[in-house]
Amino acid sequence: DAMVIQNPRYQVTQFGKPVTLSCSQTLNHNVMYWYQQKSSQAPKLLFHYYDKDFNNEADTPDNFQSRRPNTSFCFLDIRSPGLGDAAMYLCATRKTRASTDTQYFGPGTRLTVL
Amino acid sequence: AQSVTQLGSHVSVSEGALVLLRCNYSSSVPPYLFWYVQYPNQGLQLLLKYTTGATLVKGINGFEAEFKKSETSFHLTKPSAHMSDAAEYFCAVTINTGGFKTIFGAGTRLFVKA
Repeated sequence: DAMVIQNPRYQVTQFGKPVTLSCSQTLNHNVMYWYQQKSSQAPKLLFHYYDKDFNNEADTPDNFQSRRPNTSFCFLDIRSPGLGDAAMYLCATRKTRASTDTQYFGPGTRLTVL
Repeated sequence: AQSVTQLGSHVSVSEGALVLLRCNYSSSVPPYLFWYVQYPNQGLQLLLKYTTGATLVKGINGFEAEFKKSETSFHLTKPSAHMSDAAEYFCAVTINTGGFKTIFGAGTRLFVKA
């Protein structure tokens, strides 16, 4: 049974056209993350939520925003996608703050920018 | 600061041969260490983790890893490679300060030859 679900799996957008990626979870975890992963690279953390508390990484561009309307859902908004934003976007969850807790990843959304 | 180094961006083994993927970490406090596997166009899946206790950790799919504090290493091994093991493998570290951030290594792509 899918626990972290990302929609869509593949997204194509045009340069500068806003796009929203969706993540939902059935685990009732408190923490949700968004990562950007470019080809043959490690995932790079963009931001995370602990409940409704939003935490932005210092080097995350302003072009990237996020919303978490409730425990189950989290959205990644890219306001004006550039060619350099083409990547796999991974959503992950973690039950608590504890560093020993496992992160559960969704299958990712591959974003193409034309 | 914490960091993770994976030696070898690509490793190639023959089917049935030993798999050894190397990971060294840097941490000023006791680390929690993870290995994740990523298949093409998929999210990351936890293979195994070390938090406390026994330093030899067994994971899924026949993989295991040994935490060696003196060598600051957490190498991943499997006695006999299968074709289905071909994937990208990421070593990661978190620290026990209630922090949310996981530091990933750059990844090692494993190729398995028939």
